[in-house]
Amino acid sequence: AQTVTQSQPEMSVQEAETVTLSCTYDTSESDYYLFWYKQPPSRQMILVIRQEAYKQQNATENRFSVNFQKAAKSFSLKISDSQLGDAAMYFCAYRSALLGNTGKLIFGQGTTLQVKP
Amino acid sequence: DAGITQSPRHKVTETGTPVTLRCHQTENHRYMYWYRQDPGHGLRLIHYSYGVKDTDKGEVSDGYSVSRSKTEDFLLTLESATSSQTSVYFCAHTGGGTDTQYFGPGTRLTVL
Repeated sequence: AQTVTQSQPEMSVQEAETVTLSCTYDTSESDYYLFWYKQPPSRQMILVIRQEAYKQQNATENRFSVNFQKAAKSFSLKISDSQLGDAAMYFCAYRSALLGNTGKLIFGQGTTLQVKP
Repeated sequence: DAGITQSPRHKVTETGTPVTLRCHQTENHRYMYWYRQDPGHGLRLIHYSYGVKDTDKGEVSDGYSVSRSKTEDFLLTLESATSSQTSVYFCAHTGGGTDTQYFGPGTRLTVL
C-alpha cells in the first residue's frame, strides 16, 4: 500500500522569504501523480501544483515549485516570495496512474504554514 | 467553484442518531469520493463511487455507508453516529484519467 509522510507539522516563514515543505512517499508503482493542496482557514481544498512521475522536469506554478526526486521518493514544495495569503495547511497527496485506477488520493498528515509580517 | 456542493455545511447531532451528508456535482463526472479530515491524519478515504450504483470502500469505511442513485449525487450515511465520527467531511469528484480531483467546501459534523 502507498503511504505519504509529511514530517513537519508546522513551519513558519517571514514575508517575502522562501520556505520549503517536505513530503516523502512510498510506492512500488512506477507511474503516478503527486499533488500539493492548500487549505486556508476557509477550509476549501485548493490544488497548488501537480507532478506526473514520468516527467523529470519539476513542475512550477508562479511562486510555487517542486523538487521531485523519484529515486528518493521525495516531493518537496518551495514557496518563493512568501505572502500573508500563503498561510494555510498544505497537504501532499499521491495518486496512482495505473490503468483502471479509481483516482483516489492518499494524503500526508499536513503541514501548517505560518507567514510572519 | 469546482462544480461541487455539500450540505449541510455544519451539523451537530447526538450519539446514536442517523446522519446523512449530501454531495452534489454539476460536472457529470464519473468518480466521486468521501473523505474525512482529522488532526494528524490528513484526509482519509471513506468510500468512493465509480458510477451510478457502483461504490467501494476506502480505508476508514466502518460505520459509514454510501449511495449513488444519480450521477450528480453521492450520499454518505452514518447509520448510528458515534463521537469518533466527529470530523470534517469532504466530498470530491473527478472525470477520471488524468483529471484533477476537485473538492467540495466540507461539512463539519459534531457528534455529542
